Amino acid sequence: AQKITQTQPGMFVQEKEAVTLDCTYDTSDPSYGLFWYKQPSSGEMIFLIYQGSYDQQNATEGRYSLNFQKARKSANLVISASQLGDSAMYFCAMRPIKAAGNKLTFGGGTRVLVKP
Amino acid sequence: DTGVSQDPRHKITKRGQNVTFRCDPISEHNRLYWYRQTLGQGPEFLTYFQNEAQLEKSRLLSDRFSAERPKGSFSTLEIQRTEQGDSAMYLCASSAQMGSLLEQYFGPGTRLTVT
Repeated sequence: AQKITQTQPGMFVQEKEAVTLDCTYDTSDPSYGLFWYKQPSSGEMIFLIYQGSYDQQNATEGRYSLNFQKARKSANLVISASQLGDSAMYFCAMRPIKAAGNKLTFGGGTRVLVKP
Repeated sequence: DTGVSQDPRHKITKRGQNVTFRCDPISEHNRLYWYRQTLGQGPEFLTYFQNEAQLEKSRLLSDRFSAERPKGSFSTLEIQRTEQGDSAMYLCASSAQMGSLLEQYFGPGTRLTVT
């Protein structure tokens, strides 16, 4: 079984500053993928960034970077230079990397509000 | 636009009625997923198709729920005898079979309210 824990229900961040969203996970699968999704108030889930468990380097995508610490089972998302449009729910998710099926297990989410 | 689409976007129904939702995945994706998201929670997996075959179902999917993907393209999710606890956002996602990332692309969701 897999489990994702996001301990921050909500966060305020000042525009143009960086924010770190925490994510810890638990799994018995030897190889897995970690994802972050953004969900604005409109409801759609927007893929942000991916980290494979065997990737040697931390993933980066524009203003998003993933601080992956395998030994601690954490995959924190860092958003740099926050913008007002970053205000949304953020979900950490994971799935095993195997041939049959790749359903995602999500955490409870963190609501980010960017202040001007 | 070739993203995942869902219909309807909103549905209000009375308890006991049946409802059906539709999902059209990205055309070249052969994997399709249904998730349910209740207010303030992350999405929870319901079921998964590869082409027309339903390969996995969650225990959340009671016998009042049925999903189909008859021709391996669009999918439907039906809820019979709806209950107030069924009120949620129902999300559909699709992914390709090949490739290392197998990223899932989500549709806008169908928000169900059972009164």
